[in-house]
Amino acid sequence: NAGVMQNPRHLVRRRGQEARLRCSPMKGHSHVYWYRQLPEEGLKFMVYLQKENIIDESGMPKERFSAEFPKEGPSILRIQQVVRGDSAAYFCASSPQKTDTQYFGPGTRLTVL
Amino acid sequence: GENVEQHPSTLSVQEGDSAVIKCTYSDSASNYFPWYKQELGKRPQLIIDIRSNVGEKKDQRIAVTLNKTAKHFSLHITETQPEDSAVYFCAARISGNTPLVFGKGTRLSVIA
Repeated sequence: NAGVMQNPRHLVRRRGQEARLRCSPMKGHSHVYWYRQLPEEGLKFMVYLQKENIIDESGMPKERFSAEFPKEGPSILRIQQVVRGDSAAYFCASSPQKTDTQYFGPGTRLTVL
Repeated sequence: GENVEQHPSTLSVQEGDSAVIKCTYSDSASNYFPWYKQELGKRPQLIIDIRSNVGEKKDQRIAVTLNKTAKHFSLHITETQPEDSAVYFCAARISGNTPLVFGKGTRLSVIA
């Protein structure tokens, strides 16, 4: 059973461009969570999704950030018009049920030039 | 909402000694407390977790204790080895509809 997959592993964007981060949960997992990690800091919750639904987006910035988890395909975290402050590692995690253990992907390291 | 404090931020121990990392949480409704280990440039990996109906859980050299009254939980690593060197994160979750809230991490260095 493959673990949580994320791609790309590294992404470089110039200010003003768009960044798309993908997350494929573990097989059988229908719950996906996105976290952001700044250097030397902990993980900050951004958004929690189930298939085709956003359940909790209380950690998402109100502008430029959006997330989806379509019926088919990976979950996507989209950042429009990136700024230097968006540079961070973005991790997704998945679980089979809401209250179960979350397993993390390898992360996408976004660098905004 | 929930707030998790983690101490110390850095910890150095001699190989073979024990290491203890402590976390406190603010919301007494929290009922799930996982610990993750993150090596440099790698993903956080779950090493042990505990639920609020249990006071202690052990897995080989790793143990976690929970004091619900005081709202704190601790990670204990015995007989530390150099490969235990990493950043360790605690987290807490209120039952039902809230996400995991993480501490800021403890950088553990095991000196050979």
